[in-house]
Amino acid sequence: DQQVKQNSPSLSVQEGRISILNCDYTNSMFDYFLWYKKYPAEGPTFLISISSIKDKNEDGRFTVFLNKSAKHLSLHIVPSQPGDSAVYFCAASAGNAGKSTFGDGTTLTVKP
Amino acid sequence: DTAVSQTPKYLVTQMGNDKSIKCEQNLGHDTMYWYKQDSKKFLKIMFSYNNKELIINETVPNRFSPKSPDKAHLNLHINSLELGDSAVYFCASSHLSPLAEQFFGPGTRLTVL
Repeated sequence: DQQVKQNSPSLSVQEGRISILNCDYTNSMFDYFLWYKKYPAEGPTFLISISSIKDKNEDGRFTVFLNKSAKHLSLHIVPSQPGDSAVYFCAASAGNAGKSTFGDGTTLTVKP
Repeated sequence: DTAVSQTPKYLVTQMGNDKSIKCEQNLGHDTMYWYKQDSKKFLKIMFSYNNKELIINETVPNRFSPKSPDKAHLNLHINSLELGDSAVYFCASSHLSPLAEQFFGPGTRLTVL
């Protein structure tokens, strides 16, 4: 049972345009959500997070939106840059700190 | 300075062997994790330790045994290696908080022949 899903395995975007990465979850107990970025041959690195008491969190070019009723979150990157090309994972936790459930990742390619 | 380090980076071994992967963090975190990323790229948690105590133990064969000698180290020992154990194993650490970001090591690519 995959509780966190990223239905788009890949996304290609032109430099300067907006990248939108989507994530759906099924467990209504999830109340904390994080996005990680991963380059080849490296471990994931934290990007941005959001708690379920908010519906939006912004950090520079990165914004995460949370729609609790739809059990959906999205990561917006604007403007996209070639250095943003990586695999993006969303992760969710249910308040019991110490356990994050990861999605299977979306590979973003930003073309110059 | 490397925040979360793992050794070795690559490990190639025969079926049936026993091997260990070491992890160390110098971030002062109280919680450490082991994840497995299989060929389908799923990143799945295996174990989590908080202050040297096991707090998460997902459905993992008991051939896998984590050991935390102190808060800064979490090692993973695997007995009787099988072909299906081939994967990239990531260690991570964080403070124990739901929104606490996890810091990942560079991964250990294990190949079982």
